[in-house]
Amino acid sequence: EAQVTQNPRYLITVTGKKLTVTCSQNMNHEYMSWYRQDPGLGLRQIYYSMNVEVTDKGDVPEGYKVSRKEKRNFPLILESPSPNQTSLYFCAYMGGGLLFGEEVNEQFFGPGTRLTVL
Amino acid sequence: QKEVEQNSGPLSVPEGAIASLNCTYSDRGSQSFFWYRQYSGKSPELIMFIYSNGDKEDGRFTAQLNKASQYVSLLIRDSQPSDSATYLCAPMNTGFQKLVFGTGTRLLVSP
Repeated sequence: EAQVTQNPRYLITVTGKKLTVTCSQNMNHEYMSWYRQDPGLGLRQIYYSMNVEVTDKGDVPEGYKVSRKEKRNFPLILESPSPNQTSLYFCAYMGGGLLFGEEVNEQFFGPGTRLTVL
Repeated sequence: QKEVEQNSGPLSVPEGAIASLNCTYSDRGSQSFFWYRQYSGKSPELIMFIYSNGDKEDGRFTAQLNKASQYVSLLIRDSQPSDSATYLCAPMNTGFQKLVFGTGTRLLVSP
């Protein structure tokens, strides 16, 4: 069964305290991505990764870092969180797809991480 | 102009009716288009994708794409109360790298 796991699912922290949200997929897909979802703004892409050691900025990368040392894991790092990073975060993978010359046939979002920065 | 525009709704339809959800996009180079359903408090789930002009049908869902008009729609036939959710449209950009989401249309199907 396709699965994306995120940890933690809920986190309340304070400004400036570094944190990492982990993301792991079990389907061996190359493409992974992080999104944040805010009321009225919808889902916005933070970073994406086309493959191991290949990452690039999405639309709202400021204040975030990612790494892709192995295919299945794609952690999101907030070096110095601020209150404007309070949001619902989703990790996702995409399999197949026209971006790799084939039809996209699989895409799966993790359950989400609700982050509050005080 | 927003990159992806959707009417926020709510769109209210009675059970059994056809729900029509619309989306316009600004990137003329977009090649793939995705529709997601998101229940309140849950993660989005992919329900349809389309990349050729015309219609694509999958069960009760039909996606329609018109690249010349930069318009993509989703039709839900025989709407059920369980279809009540927010529907997100997301074109993939020209380089097949980034998904840009609309803010979604909330659909309410009444019994």
